Amino acid sequence: GNSVTQMEGPVTLSEEAFLTINCTYTATGYPSLFWYVQYPGEGLQLLLKATKADDKGSNKGFEATYRKETTSFHLEKGSVQVSDSAVYFCALSAGGTSYGKLTFGQGTILTVHP
Amino acid sequence: EAQVTQNPRYLITVTGKKLTVTCSQNMNHEYMSWYRQDPGLGLRQIYYSMNVEVTDKGDVPEGYKVSRKEKRNFPLILESPSPNQTSLYFCASTPRGLDYNEQFFGPGTRLTVL
Repeated sequence: GNSVTQMEGPVTLSEEAFLTINCTYTATGYPSLFWYVQYPGEGLQLLLKATKADDKGSNKGFEATYRKETTSFHLEKGSVQVSDSAVYFCALSAGGTSYGKLTFGQGTILTVHP
Repeated sequence: EAQVTQNPRYLITVTGKKLTVTCSQNMNHEYMSWYRQDPGLGLRQIYYSMNVEVTDKGDVPEGYKVSRKEKRNFPLILESPSPNQTSLYFCASTPRGLDYNEQFFGPGTRLTVL
Protein backbone atom coordinates (compact mmCIF):
# COMPACT_ATOMS: atom_id res chain seq x y z
CA GLY A 1 0.00 0.00 0.00
CA ASN A 2 0.89 3.67 -0.07
CA SER A 3 2.92 5.21 2.74
CA VAL A 4 4.72 8.41 3.69
CA THR A 5 7.66 8.69 6.09
CA GLN A 6 8.80 11.99 7.60
CA MET A 7 11.85 12.77 9.64
CA GLU A 8 11.38 12.48 13.36
CA GLY A 9 10.80 15.67 15.29
CA PRO A 10 10.52 17.90 17.02
CA VAL A 11 12.73 20.37 15.19
CA THR A 12 13.89 23.46 17.06
CA LEU A 13 15.59 26.32 15.19
CA SER A 14 16.59 29.91 15.74
CA GLU A 15 15.02 32.61 13.62
CA GLU A 16 16.66 32.96 10.17
CA ALA A 17 18.05 29.41 10.25
CA PHE A 18 17.75 27.06 7.27
CA LEU A 19 15.02 24.43 7.47
CA THR A 20 14.86 20.97 5.93
CA ILE A 21 12.18 18.42 6.76
CA ASN A 22 12.71 15.11 4.98
CA CYS A 23 9.85 13.19 3.40
CA THR A 24 9.97 9.94 1.44
CA TYR A 25 7.09 7.96 0.03
CA THR A 26 6.06 4.58 -1.28
CA ALA A 27 3.33 4.44 -3.89
CA THR A 28 2.37 2.71 -7.10
CA GLY A 29 2.03 4.84 -10.18
CA TYR A 30 2.49 8.57 -10.11
CA PRO A 31 1.07 10.15 -6.98
CA SER A 32 0.59 13.84 -6.29
CA LEU A 33 2.58 15.11 -3.30
CA PHE A 34 1.66 17.75 -0.75
CA TRP A 35 2.89 19.58 2.29
CA TYR A 36 0.21 20.67 4.74
CA VAL A 37 0.77 22.94 7.74
CA GLN A 38 -1.17 22.97 11.01
CA TYR A 39 -0.86 26.07 13.17
CA PRO A 40 -1.70 25.73 16.86
CA GLY A 41 -5.40 25.13 17.44
CA GLU A 42 -6.27 25.13 13.75
CA GLY A 43 -7.04 22.67 10.98
CA LEU A 44 -4.64 21.75 8.19
CA GLN A 45 -3.88 24.14 5.35
CA LEU A 46 -2.27 23.26 2.05
CA LEU A 47 1.24 24.76 1.97
CA LEU A 48 2.42 23.53 -1.43
CA LYS A 49 1.98 20.73 -3.92
CA ALA A 50 3.61 18.96 -6.88
CA THR A 51 1.72 16.75 -9.28
CA LYS A 52 4.47 15.18 -11.40
CA ALA A 53 8.14 14.28 -11.27
CA ASP A 54 10.61 17.21 -11.14
CA ASP A 55 7.84 19.69 -10.29
CA LYS A 56 8.79 22.22 -7.65
CA GLY A 57 6.07 23.44 -5.33
CA SER A 58 6.61 26.75 -3.56
CA ASN A 59 4.69 29.05 -1.22
CA LYS A 60 5.53 31.56 1.54
CA GLY A 61 9.27 30.94 1.04
CA PHE A 62 8.92 27.17 1.37
CA GLU A 63 9.93 24.85 -1.47
CA ALA A 64 9.82 21.14 -2.22
CA THR A 65 10.81 19.22 -5.36
CA TYR A 66 9.15 15.98 -6.47
CA ARG A 67 12.05 13.52 -6.92
CA LYS A 68 10.80 10.29 -8.42
CA GLU A 69 14.23 8.66 -8.55
CA THR A 70 14.64 9.00 -4.78
CA THR A 71 10.87 8.93 -3.98
CA SER A 72 11.32 12.09 -1.94
CA PHE A 73 9.63 15.46 -1.41
CA HIS A 74 11.76 17.29 1.15
CA LEU A 75 10.53 20.64 2.48
CA GLU A 76 13.01 23.54 2.65
CA LYS A 77 13.03 27.17 3.68
CA GLY A 78 16.06 29.39 3.59
CA SER A 79 15.25 31.59 6.58
CA VAL A 80 12.57 30.58 9.09
CA GLN A 81 10.54 32.96 11.21
CA VAL A 82 8.89 32.56 14.59
CA SER A 83 5.54 32.55 12.77
CA ASP A 84 6.56 29.34 10.96
CA SER A 85 6.23 27.39 14.22
CA ALA A 86 3.67 24.70 13.42
CA VAL A 87 3.24 21.02 12.61
CA TYR A 88 4.14 20.06 9.04
CA PHE A 89 2.66 17.03 7.28
CA CYS A 90 3.83 15.43 4.08
CA ALA A 91 1.05 13.64 2.18
CA LEU A 92 0.36 11.86 -1.08
CA SER A 93 -2.67 11.24 -3.24
CA ALA A 94 -2.60 8.23 -5.51
CA GLY A 95 -5.51 9.43 -7.64
CA GLY A 96 -7.71 7.13 -9.66
CA THR A 97 -10.05 5.19 -7.40
CA SER A 98 -8.21 6.68 -4.41
CA TYR A 99 -8.92 10.26 -5.50
CA GLY A 100 -10.69 11.23 -2.28
CA LYS A 101 -7.93 9.94 -0.02
CA LEU A 102 -4.74 11.46 1.31
CA THR A 103 -2.04 9.34 2.95
CA PHE A 104 -0.15 11.34 5.57
CA GLY A 105 3.22 11.12 7.22
CA GLN A 106 3.59 11.29 10.99
CA GLY A 107 3.96 15.05 11.14
CA THR A 108 6.97 17.12 12.23
CA ILE A 109 6.69 19.72 14.97
CA LEU A 110 8.73 22.85 14.19
CA THR A 111 9.51 25.42 16.85
CA VAL A 112 11.35 28.61 15.91
CA HIS A 113 12.87 30.75 18.66
CA PRO A 114 13.62 34.49 18.31
CA GLU B 1 -16.69 32.50 3.18
CA ALA B 2 -15.80 29.07 1.80
CA GLN B 3 -15.29 26.74 4.71
CA VAL B 4 -15.69 23.39 6.38
CA THR B 5 -17.32 23.55 9.81
CA GLN B 6 -17.38 20.94 12.55
CA ASN B 7 -19.34 20.71 15.76
CA PRO B 8 -18.64 20.38 18.56
CA ARG B 9 -15.05 21.56 18.74
CA TYR B 10 -14.48 19.85 22.07
CA LEU B 11 -16.32 16.91 23.59
CA ILE B 12 -15.79 14.84 26.71
CA THR B 13 -17.98 11.77 27.03
CA VAL B 14 -18.12 8.36 28.69
CA THR B 15 -17.69 4.89 27.28
CA GLY B 16 -20.74 3.60 25.44
CA LYS B 17 -22.66 6.85 25.11
CA LYS B 18 -23.54 7.37 21.44
CA LEU B 19 -22.37 10.61 19.90
CA THR B 20 -22.37 12.40 16.55
CA VAL B 21 -19.86 14.90 15.25
CA THR B 22 -21.29 17.05 12.49
CA CYS B 23 -19.44 18.30 9.42
CA SER B 24 -20.72 20.74 6.84
CA GLN B 25 -19.13 22.38 3.79
CA ASN B 26 -20.44 25.26 1.69
CA MET B 27 -18.27 24.75 -1.39
CA ASN B 28 -20.47 22.20 -3.19
CA HIS B 29 -17.67 19.64 -3.05
CA GLU B 30 -18.42 16.06 -4.06
CA TYR B 31 -15.82 14.33 -1.88
CA MET B 32 -15.77 14.42 1.90
CA SER B 33 -13.59 12.54 4.39
CA TRP B 34 -13.07 11.99 8.08
CA TYR B 35 -9.59 11.65 9.56
CA ARG B 36 -8.27 11.09 13.05
CA GLN B 37 -4.98 12.56 14.21
CA ASP B 38 -2.91 10.78 16.84
CA PRO B 39 0.62 11.63 18.03
CA GLY B 40 3.28 9.84 16.02
CA LEU B 41 0.73 8.48 13.54
CA GLY B 42 -0.20 11.56 11.56
CA LEU B 43 -3.69 11.62 10.09
CA ARG B 44 -5.46 8.42 9.14
CA GLN B 45 -8.60 8.28 7.05
CA ILE B 46 -11.67 6.81 8.76
CA TYR B 47 -14.32 7.02 6.02
CA TYR B 48 -14.85 8.95 2.86
CA SER B 49 -17.72 9.77 0.55
CA MET B 50 -17.60 10.32 -3.19
CA ASN B 51 -21.08 11.83 -3.37
CA VAL B 52 -24.55 11.66 -1.83
CA GLU B 53 -25.37 8.14 -0.63
CA VAL B 54 -21.90 6.86 -1.65
CA THR B 55 -19.47 6.10 1.16
CA ASP B 56 -16.50 3.78 1.66
CA LYS B 57 -14.15 2.70 4.40
CA GLY B 58 -10.80 4.30 4.90
CA ASP B 59 -7.87 2.85 6.83
CA VAL B 60 -9.37 2.81 10.33
CA PRO B 61 -13.19 2.47 10.08
CA GLU B 62 -13.79 0.16 13.07
CA GLY B 63 -16.14 1.68 15.62
CA TYR B 64 -17.37 4.47 13.34
CA LYS B 65 -20.32 5.06 11.04
CA VAL B 66 -21.05 7.81 8.54
CA SER B 67 -23.90 8.92 6.34
CA ARG B 68 -24.19 11.26 3.35
CA LYS B 69 -27.83 12.17 2.84
CA GLU B 70 -27.08 15.68 1.62
CA LYS B 71 -24.12 16.91 -0.37
CA ARG B 72 -23.04 19.47 2.21
CA ASN B 73 -23.19 17.29 5.35
CA PHE B 74 -21.14 14.29 6.41
CA PRO B 75 -21.69 13.38 10.08
CA LEU B 76 -19.44 10.96 11.96
CA ILE B 77 -21.24 8.64 14.35
CA LEU B 78 -19.73 6.71 17.24
CA GLU B 79 -22.39 4.23 18.33
CA SER B 80 -20.51 3.02 21.41
CA PRO B 81 -17.40 5.11 22.01
CA SER B 82 -14.39 3.58 23.73
CA PRO B 83 -11.30 5.22 25.25
CA ASN B 84 -9.16 4.24 22.24
CA GLN B 85 -11.29 6.63 20.16
CA THR B 86 -9.97 9.57 22.14
CA SER B 87 -8.39 11.63 19.39
CA LEU B 88 -8.47 14.79 17.30
CA TYR B 89 -10.89 14.43 14.39
CA PHE B 90 -10.87 16.36 11.13
CA CYS B 91 -13.42 16.56 8.39
CA ALA B 92 -12.24 17.50 4.89
CA SER B 93 -13.75 18.09 1.47
CA THR B 94 -12.46 18.26 -2.09
CA PRO B 95 -14.10 18.93 -5.43
CA ARG B 96 -14.17 16.37 -8.19
CA GLY B 97 -12.23 17.04 -11.34
CA LEU B 98 -9.03 18.63 -10.08
CA ASP B 99 -5.81 17.17 -11.46
CA TYR B 100 -4.61 17.01 -7.88
CA ASN B 101 -6.37 16.21 -4.65
CA GLU B 102 -6.32 19.36 -2.52
CA GLN B 103 -8.44 18.80 0.55
CA PHE B 104 -10.00 21.59 2.62
CA PHE B 105 -10.04 20.86 6.33
CA GLY B 106 -12.33 21.81 9.14
CA PRO B 107 -10.96 23.18 12.44
CA GLY B 108 -11.04 19.82 14.20
CA THR B 109 -12.97 18.19 17.05
CA ARG B 110 -11.08 17.07 20.12
CA LEU B 111 -12.85 14.05 21.61
CA THR B 112 -12.09 12.51 24.98
CA VAL B 113 -13.77 9.22 25.93
CA LEU B 114 -13.52 8.37 29.63
